Amino acid sequence: DSGVTQTPKHLITATGQRVTLRCSPRSGDLSVYWYQQSLDQGLQFLIQYYNGEERAKGNILERFSAQQFPDLHSELNLSSLELGDSALYFCASSPRGTGWGGANVLTFGAGSRLTVL
Amino acid sequence: DAKTTQPNSMESNEEEPVHLPCNHSTISGTDYIHWYRQLPSQGPEYVIHGLTSNVNNRMASLAIAEDRKSSTLILHRATLRDAAVYYCILRALTLYGGSQGNLIFGKGTKLSVKP
Repeated sequence: DSGVTQTPKHLITATGQRVTLRCSPRSGDLSVYWYQQSLDQGLQFLIQYYNGEERAKGNILERFSAQQFPDLHSELNLSSLELGDSALYFCASSPRGTGWGGANVLTFGAGSRLTVL
Repeated sequence: DAKTTQPNSMESNEEEPVHLPCNHSTISGTDYIHWYRQLPSQGPEYVIHGLTSNVNNRMASLAIAEDRKSSTLILHRATLRDAAVYYCILRALTLYGGSQGNLIFGKGTKLSVKP
C-alpha cells in the first residue's frame, strides 16, 4: 500500500457518459498529479495541483477537468467519453509542488481502470 | 526538455547483476536524474535519483558518468520481482526556478528476469 488511494479500481461505462475518479494523497503530501496510461501512448501527464491550485498542465483534453479540494483530495472528471479514453488513470502525490533539490518523490496509487464501451 | 534514450528491452538471469543504461546527452547542469519502475499491473514506484555523484539505496545503485551525459541503474542481484519497466527521467527546470514537480515518462526499458 503506497498511501495514495484511488477509487474506483475498475469502472465500465458507455460512450458519451461522464465519470469521476477520486484520489486521496499520501498523508502530508500537498501536490497531486494525474496520469493516463493507455497501451499505445504510455504514461501521459495530465495535470498537477499543489495545495488546491493548478500548477502544471500536460496533455489533458478539454473534456477532462480536475480539481483539488481543501482536504487535498483530488477528483478527475472525464466527460463525453469516447472509446479512446479507455485507459488506466493514475494519481500520484508528493510533498511539494516542485522538484527543488531534486527530491520531491512522487508516490503513485494503484490506478483506476476505465473501460468505455 | 532534455530527453532520455533507453533500450526497449533487456533480459537478465535471476540473482545476477543488471545494468540498465540511459543516455541523456542534452542534460543541463541542474537536471536531476530520476529512475522509477512499474511492475506489472501496478503504478510506477520511485527507485533512486541523483545529480552528479553515484548513489546507493536499498533498492539499487545509480552510476552517473562524469560528463553526466549518461547514467546506469544497477540492480545488484535481480529477482523475479524486479521484472518491470524501468524509466529514466530528467526533471526539467521551470521558468520560475527549481525543477518542475511532474515527471515526464518515456517508453522505458522492459526488464525480463529469467529463473
